[in-house]
Amino acid sequence: QKEVEQDPGPLSVPEGAIVSLNCTYSNSAFQYFMWYRQYSRKGPELLMYTYSSGNKEDGRFTAQVDKSSKYISLFIRDSQPSDSATYLCAMSAERGTSYGKLTFGQGTILTVHP
Amino acid sequence: NAGVTQTPKFQVLKTGQSMTLQCAQDMNHEYMSWYRQDPGMGLRLIHYSVGAGITDQGEVPNGYNVSRSTTEDFPLRLLSAAPSQTSVYFCASSYSRRGNTIYFGEGSWLTVV
Repeated sequence: QKEVEQDPGPLSVPEGAIVSLNCTYSNSAFQYFMWYRQYSRKGPELLMYTYSSGNKEDGRFTAQVDKSSKYISLFIRDSQPSDSATYLCAMSAERGTSYGKLTFGQGTILTVHP
Repeated sequence: NAGVTQTPKFQVLKTGQSMTLQCAQDMNHEYMSWYRQDPGMGLRLIHYSVGAGITDQGEVPNGYNVSRSTTEDFPLRLLSAAPSQTSVYFCASSYSRRGNTIYFGEGSWLTVV
């Protein structure tokens, strides 16, 4: 069983929809939770970063972490065609996300159609 | 500011050949790492380095070597390429203190035939 599970989709939604992306994990030592966005043929770029449980909002994006359920979510409001990409959750058990020792989910392919 | 630069972008190798994927960063980051990305597997850590002269293994290190002689460079060596090493490889770097931002390169597409 993978440490981090993410529904690979693909997920297709109309423009303006609310998108919900989720990951579950099994390692209770994970403390740092991230969401990355990856466009085709590009490297991942950091979208959201959360430490421990709670919510974090940045514009149209909201990240939620529920450590008791070992479940994290990313919500995208008013989705745009430019949001079409692969979304990857990532986690780290150490203070060093700076160490680059991240455990990734499989990634969810999202398409937002006009 | 170039960020994290990877070369080559695309490479085809024959089984048994060796090659080096280059990674350079110009942000004076202490930490650098290599990941591979395969369909349905997400990104998996191969090797990482916390500073010049210091490296360690990640989740899938077999068949790969690394060294870190300078802060800027972190090459990944395939000693004897195998078809199972066909993948997309990403180099990443970050500061030690600003631990929440890891910068990734654009990727290197490797095919082993």
